[in-house]
Parts: sequence; C-alpha cells; structure tokens
Amino acid sequence: QKEVEQNSGPLSVPEGAIASLNCTYSDRGSQSFFWYRQYSGKSPELIMFIYSNGDKEDGRFTAQLNKASQYVSLLIRDSQPSDSATYLCAVFTITQGGSEKLVFGKGTKLTVNP
Amino acid sequence: GAVVSQHPSWVICKSGTSVKIECRSLDFQATTMFWYRQFPKQSLMLMATSNEGSKATYEQGVEKDKFLINHASLTLSTLTVTSAHPEDSSFYICSARQWTGGNQPQHFGDGTRLSIL
Repeated sequence: QKEVEQNSGPLSVPEGAIASLNCTYSDRGSQSFFWYRQYSGKSPELIMFIYSNGDKEDGRFTAQLNKASQYVSLLIRDSQPSDSATYLCAVFTITQGGSEKLVFGKGTKLTVNP
Repeated sequence: GAVVSQHPSWVICKSGTSVKIECRSLDFQATTMFWYRQFPKQSLMLMATSNEGSKATYEQGVEKDKFLINHASLTLSTLTVTSAHPEDSSFYICSARQWTGGNQPQHFGDGTRLSIL
C-alpha cells in the first residue's frame, strides 16, 4: 500500500508569518509531487507541482522536494487569512498492476489568524 | 487554461434513483479523467480512471455495476450512480489530465454534492 502522510493539524499561524506544510511518502520510486488547496466544501485547486529535488518557487509559495528522505514540503510566505484551507499533498504513483494514479494525503488544515 | 466543468453541483433525490454526473474539459482535450469520492473530513478516494474510448478502470472495492462511467469523447466523461442509496451520499469530484503524460497535474471540477434521502 503506497501511502502519503501529512500532519492533519490544525496548523495556526499569524498573518504575515511563514506557514510550513510537510508530507512524506512511502513509494521511493515516485517522481511527481503535487500540492492542492481545498477550501471547505469546495474541490481541490492545484497550487504547485514539483518533479526535481530542491526548491521551486511560485509567488508566495515554495515547494521543496527531497527524494532521498521521501519528503516534500510547501512553504507559504506572508500568509494571509485567505490562505486558510486544507492543503493536500498528492504523489503520482504507478501501481503493481501498472495503473497510474495520484495518491492523496489526508491533508493539513491551515488557519491564518488576522 | 485547464478548466474542468462538473454538473450538477448539488443533487438531492430519493433512494433508488439513478443520478448522472457530467465532467467536461472546457479548453483542452482529456484522454484520461478521474472520478473521486470524498466523505466529510476525509481525503479524496479514487473511484475509477476513465479513458476515452475504452472501459474505465475501477479501484478495488468500487462496484462497477453501481458506478457506471462513460468517456465517449475527449472532453466528456459521465458517472452514473445507479439505484442510489443513502450510503452513496457523498461529494463526488472529477478531474482531468491535460496531456497523455501520466505525471502531469490533474485539474479538478467543482464537485457534485449528492444527498440521497
């Protein structure tokens, strides 16, 4: 069973602070990693994706990947109340049967306090 | 770009009714679409992978005769919940992948909240 683990939170940070969200995965062969944001009652929205070790920045968001440690993180700088949501880590994996799918973590709930 | 439209947004119906949900990629062709189900406070669970022009691949434990999937074109996939019962009440979300590359991002529709009375 290929798994993706996230701290469910809630993670609370003050407005303007850096929020750090973490994710570990079990499939050492995974190559593609995604962060989605899901507001309550809504469907997931793609925030970032990363394929290579290191950092990838997009505006206030930075994704970090360490394949050796099987660890991927998302940093949100200058956090805003509108960033309050559940953040889902997803890992692209190929099953033993050869099918391709995204495996999602349970998500980390982030609250940014004004 | 990469807009996925899902319809309807809400369905409330009586037990035993069959419900059809549509998923369309509006500005790209999607050879592969995915159907997920999400129960309250839980993560997304993949139900099936839908490939244009071929039979869907269902995840273990998902009844293919109950959840009928049709992917007749490169922009449309449908999920029909047949003879729905209260335990089928959930948030159903589709997603579409823009290219044939398996590791490309999936883009999600807005979801359909299904309530069976």
